[in-house]
Amino acid sequence: QKEVEQNSGPLSVPEGAIASLNCTYSDRGSQSFFWYRQYSGKSPELIMFIYSNGDKEDGRFTAQLNKASQYVSLLIRDSQPSDSATYLCAVSADGLTFGKGTHLIIQP
Amino acid sequence: EAGVAQSPRYKIIEKRQSVAFWCNPISGHATLYWYQQILGQGPKLLIQFQNNGVVDDSQLPKDRFSAERLKGVDSTLKIQPAKLEDSAVYLCASSLMVNTEAFFGQGTRLTVV
Repeated sequence: QKEVEQNSGPLSVPEGAIASLNCTYSDRGSQSFFWYRQYSGKSPELIMFIYSNGDKEDGRFTAQLNKASQYVSLLIRDSQPSDSATYLCAVSADGLTFGKGTHLIIQP
Repeated sequence: EAGVAQSPRYKIIEKRQSVAFWCNPISGHATLYWYQQILGQGPKLLIQFQNNGVVDDSQLPKDRFSAERLKGVDSTLKIQPAKLEDSAVYLCASSLMVNTEAFFGQGTRLTVV
């Protein structure tokens, strides 16, 4: 059984600070890693993907991958109230498996 | 570029009735996924298609759920008969190929009463 683990939160972060979201996965054969943002009542929206070990930056978002530790993280710099949402980690090993999501709250 | 289209957006049915959902993926996307998302949980994969073939349906309750993807494009997911615990949002997603970025449709919110 492929598993993706996330802390469900809520994670509360002050506006302007860095939000750090973490995810671990069980399948060492996993090849692709994704972060989705989901607002209440909406469908998941892809915000970052990473395929290789290391960091990948896109605007205020940085995804970090460590395959040896089976660990993926997402950093959100200069957090805004509009970043308040549930963040879903997804891992692909010929099939796309999601974690339960971390509920992030940005406090104004 | 048009996104993933799903219909209907909402459906309310009584238990033991049947229901069908439709999905049209992004043009050219070979991989299509159906997920079930219960409130407060992450999406759970029901079935994955590669073109018109099934790659993974290990978590599909086959006694009541069925899905098909004719001609490797549109897909339908059916529930017959529905149970109260089937109340959830049913999400369709597609990707160019396996292990690449997947994009979601707006989902169908099903309520079974």
